[in-house]
This record gives sequence, structure tokens and C-alpha cells, in this order.
Amino acid sequence: DTGVSQNPRHKITKRGQNVTFRCDPISEHNRLYWYRQTLGQGPEFLTYFQNEAQLEKSRLLSDRFSAERPKGSFSTLEIQRTEQGDSAMYLCASSLAMGQLSYEQYFGPGTRLTVT
Amino acid sequence: QQPVQSPQAVILREGEDAVINCSSSKALYSVHWYRQKHGEAPVFLMILLKGGEQKGHEKISASFNEKKQQSSLYLTASQLSYSGTYFCGQGGSRLTFGEGTQLTVNP
Repeated sequence: DTGVSQNPRHKITKRGQNVTFRCDPISEHNRLYWYRQTLGQGPEFLTYFQNEAQLEKSRLLSDRFSAERPKGSFSTLEIQRTEQGDSAMYLCASSLAMGQLSYEQYFGPGTRLTVT
Repeated sequence: QQPVQSPQAVILREGEDAVINCSSSKALYSVHWYRQKHGEAPVFLMILLKGGEQKGHEKISASFNEKKQQSSLYLTASQLSYSGTYFCGQGGSRLTFGEGTQLTVNP
């Protein structure tokens, strides 16, 4: 059984460039989440999907951020016109959900983004 | 709003016990506990879904007091492998995490 995988693991980019990250969840999980984590803080929610539908986006997520989960399997997170403040660890998690009940979330190893 | 964790940091000797608290200013419907080691992803420990619920995993257990909007994580007879940052998360789908409690277990 494979866990959640994320690619790339590290990304260094120059300010103003676009970046895209990929997340492959645990195959039987129908929910997929994106979080951002900076040093010394807990993960901060960005957005989540149930199957292919994006159900919620954080108000903190600016228009430069977009996420997709086209076939209800893997997901991509794109950041356009990156800024230095975007430097962080981007974590993906997946879980099972039935109705209102949501179960434990399993996190991937993260993509560390550094914007220079 | 973010749950508040206390203490912010704790240092133990191997074999000692510790309690980490998580409290919220709004109603808690579920509490998730995770441990994160430096440079690694958070690892799920346990989830408490109902007030009064208690769970245990090896020598780590947790309780959930719905009325007090609090949860506590108990680490008994700590081991070196328990070192890391512990986060509580609240919410049904999207989780809002506390700032974490850094636990260090020394030999």
C-alpha cells in the first residue's frame, strides 16, 4: 500500500515565475487537501476536493493560486507569479469521507518551495 | 480560529510522562492529533469524534471534553521516538491546526 506522494520534493524558483506541484493521494481516498506550512507553524488549510469537485478554498488563497483534480485522482496546485512570501512547505493530504463524516488525513512528504 | 496548545515546548527524560492540551474558543466537533518530526510530514496519531471519548495508541492516549472545548494528549513513559512537534487540529473536513507543542525526550 503506497501512501500519499508529492512531486517535486523541492523547488527553487525566481520571483515572478509560475510553479506547479503534483499530489497523488492514497488510491481509495475520495478527499484530497492542500495545506501550506511555514517554519514553526502548524499546517494552514488552502483547499480541498471531494472526488473532482473543489468544495472549499481558504480566503487566504489569492487569485494566483489554483488547484485542480481533473479525474478525481491526482491533484495539481499552481502558483502564478510567485512572490517571496510564497516560500513554504506545501503539503497534500488525503482521507476517506462519507457524508458529513471525515476520517483521518494522511499527509504526503510535501514540496518545499523557495522563491528567490 | 486557531486552537491554542499548551505548553509550547516541553523537555522530558526518557520514561517521564507529559500532557499536551488543546483548547478552542469555538465548539469542537472533532479533534485530530498529529506528530511531526523535523523535515518530515505530519503523522496521524488519533482522532476523537465525540465528547467524552478517550482513545489510546501504545502509550499515547487522548481525551476530548466537548463542554470545555478541550482535548488533552497523554504520553506515558516517554520514549526517544516520541520527540517531535505535536499538533492538534479541529474541524470536520478542513482542519485548523494549533501552533504545535515541541516535545524533546532526552536519554
